[in-house]
Amino acid sequence: GESVGLHLPTLSVQEGDNSIINCAYSNSASDYFIWYKQESGKGPQFIIDIRSNMDKRQGQRVTVLLNKTVKHLSLQIAATQPGDSAVYFCAEKYNAGNMLTFGGGTRLMVKP
Amino acid sequence: KAGVTQTPRYLIKTRGQQVTLSCSPISGHRSVSWYQQTPGQGLQFLFEYFSETQRNKGNFPGRFSGRQFSNSRSEMNVSTLELGDSALYLCASSSLTSGKYEQYFGPGTRLTVT
Repeated sequence: GESVGLHLPTLSVQEGDNSIINCAYSNSASDYFIWYKQESGKGPQFIIDIRSNMDKRQGQRVTVLLNKTVKHLSLQIAATQPGDSAVYFCAEKYNAGNMLTFGGGTRLMVKP
Repeated sequence: KAGVTQTPRYLIKTRGQQVTLSCSPISGHRSVSWYQQTPGQGLQFLFEYFSETQRNKGNFPGRFSGRQFSNSRSEMNVSTLELGDSALYLCASSSLTSGKYEQYFGPGTRLTVT
């Protein structure tokens, strides 16, 4: 598959550990945030979203935290598995349409 | 339900040529967005179409254009190709009627300009 990013920050974790991926977003007017997972050779896959009127949302093995004071978003993955290895992107939306602004991405590597 | 499909998956063009990429959204989705992904610039928004109208446009030159048909299928066109246009072009569809903004991405078209 193609290289998603040549110089992405990398988080390396042991299988079974919890992972935390952080993202700083740019626009204080953003009202919706999404985390995507991208595996080599594939398009981004939706993981979880959160609206700006919330500060926490949980999914299956994932939790997103939103701190609007410092414009920070985090994705927590519980009991990380080898299949979680991928590049993770945060994205923000701040207008009426569907335009998303993406962060630079973080590469998650899970060691067996 | 079938996902977002993009054709072709791979394309090689030479500088100065033009190219048309196609995207079929998830059935029932009326919003289609296009993104360019490169190692250097990451994922960048190109434009969004909703009900055959361009609703948002990113910061790309006029060589990049698009359109949407009445069945929500979308095409994007790049004219006078430059080496820097080599990228993965991603299409995403969304259903706004549900009040959600989830965008579902296709696998992308890998464009190489030589």
